[in-house]
Amino acid sequence: EDQVTQSPEALRLQEGESSSLNCSYTVSGLRGLFWYRQDPGKGPEFLFTLYSAGEEKEKERLKATLTKKESFLHITAPKPEDSATYLCAVRGPAGNMLTFGGGTRLMVKP
Amino acid sequence: DTAVSQTPKYLVTQMGNDKSIKCEQNLGHDTMYWYKQDSKKFLKIMFSYNNKELIINETVPNRFSPKSPDKAHLNLHINSLELGDSAVYFCASSERGGGPPRETQYFGPGTRLLVL
Repeated sequence: EDQVTQSPEALRLQEGESSSLNCSYTVSGLRGLFWYRQDPGKGPEFLFTLYSAGEEKEKERLKATLTKKESFLHITAPKPEDSATYLCAVRGPAGNMLTFGGGTRLMVKP
Repeated sequence: DTAVSQTPKYLVTQMGNDKSIKCEQNLGHDTMYWYKQDSKKFLKIMFSYNNKELIINETVPNRFSPKSPDKAHLNLHINSLELGDSAVYFCASSERGGGPPRETQYFGPGTRLLVL
């Protein structure tokens, strides 16, 4: 069974204080690791897909990396508008099913 | 121009009632999904429909029945609602296979269901 664990559950940062979010996964045959952002009261918003170890993707202050066991979402010089819950999900070999982690709630204070 | 839309946004009902949630996507995708997000914020897959055929059913009680009149719509009907059904239900869509980026799932805004 595919499993995804995200840490920490919550992270408080000062504006400009860089940090990383972790996503550890177990899947038999990874067919994609996905990062989403979810704002309160809204649906998950797609950020990145990573497919193979060593792959990196960047978008503004966010950078996602992937190893064979985990993915990191690095946030450089965050701003208050980066505050949200960040969700990680993996897709295994069977169909299009995504298995999600519990998310990391990021709070960036000005 | 909303990509994935759901109605209603909020749904408050009594235990034992039957209710439906509607989902529509205008992305031209051929696969649609229903997810449940519980109070602990875990998102879990419930159903997936590809070209009007059910391809995933994650041990969801048979009180829940997805119905897809066409590939742009996937509705969720729930019979005999229970207190434990209270959650946020998200619809999503993607293209099945075809490789990146078309397989990415795009989510709707969610329907907040409260069963009293």
